[in-house]
Amino acid sequence: GEKVEQHESTLSVREGDSAVINCTYTDTASSYFPWYKQEAGKSLHFVIDIRSNVDRKQSQRLIVLLDKKAKRFSLHITATQPEDSAIYFCAASTTGGYKVVFGSGTRLLVSP
Amino acid sequence: EAAVTQSPRNKVAVTGGKVTLSCNQTNNHNNMYWYRQDTGHGLRLIHYSYGAGSTEKGDIPDGYKASRPSQENFSLILELATPSQTSVYFCASGGGQINERLFFGHGTKLSVL
Repeated sequence: GEKVEQHESTLSVREGDSAVINCTYTDTASSYFPWYKQEAGKSLHFVIDIRSNVDRKQSQRLIVLLDKKAKRFSLHITATQPEDSAIYFCAASTTGGYKVVFGSGTRLLVSP
Repeated sequence: EAAVTQSPRNKVAVTGGKVTLSCNQTNNHNNMYWYRQDTGHGLRLIHYSYGAGSTEKGDIPDGYKASRPSQENFSLILELATPSQTSVYFCASGGGQINERLFFGHGTKLSVL
């Protein structure tokens, strides 16, 4: 079955710098790649996604890149702010599939 | 904003006891999911459902059962709870189509002593 690997378990950046979180997946049939954010002590909420018919998507300071050949996708957070500090999860699901598989999470710390 | 409500928020159970975690969503989503979150493992899929009456095994179904009696409700059942099932459990629901974002409940912290 699908496996999603999230490469950075922790990431520390200075406020204003960019942060990049990388994920890889195994199933070539995967076609939907969402990202979720979990703030301390809270639940997860959706932040951005990308589908396999595009290789780049941007929403304000968030950019997602998808490299289908390498089976890799990444979340770029530009001009980081302290409120970006959280755990970020990548996920993947296949076309026609209901199963959503998550990575292990990356704890991002943005220091002033 | 989609609403997913889990109960209870916290639960302490004894080894060998039965535990039922409940989840309710009010947005008519077809797909519902149960995950557990453990440090170092992220979110792992236990069971999911794509409609009332259906349940499917996820990646770690052993020791868990699921029930989807209606569109709104999805339960996770631990018939014989073990300390290894101590975790935070999240319920989530998704849209009417496949490959839509998930909406998560606030989580249930379960301790099995």
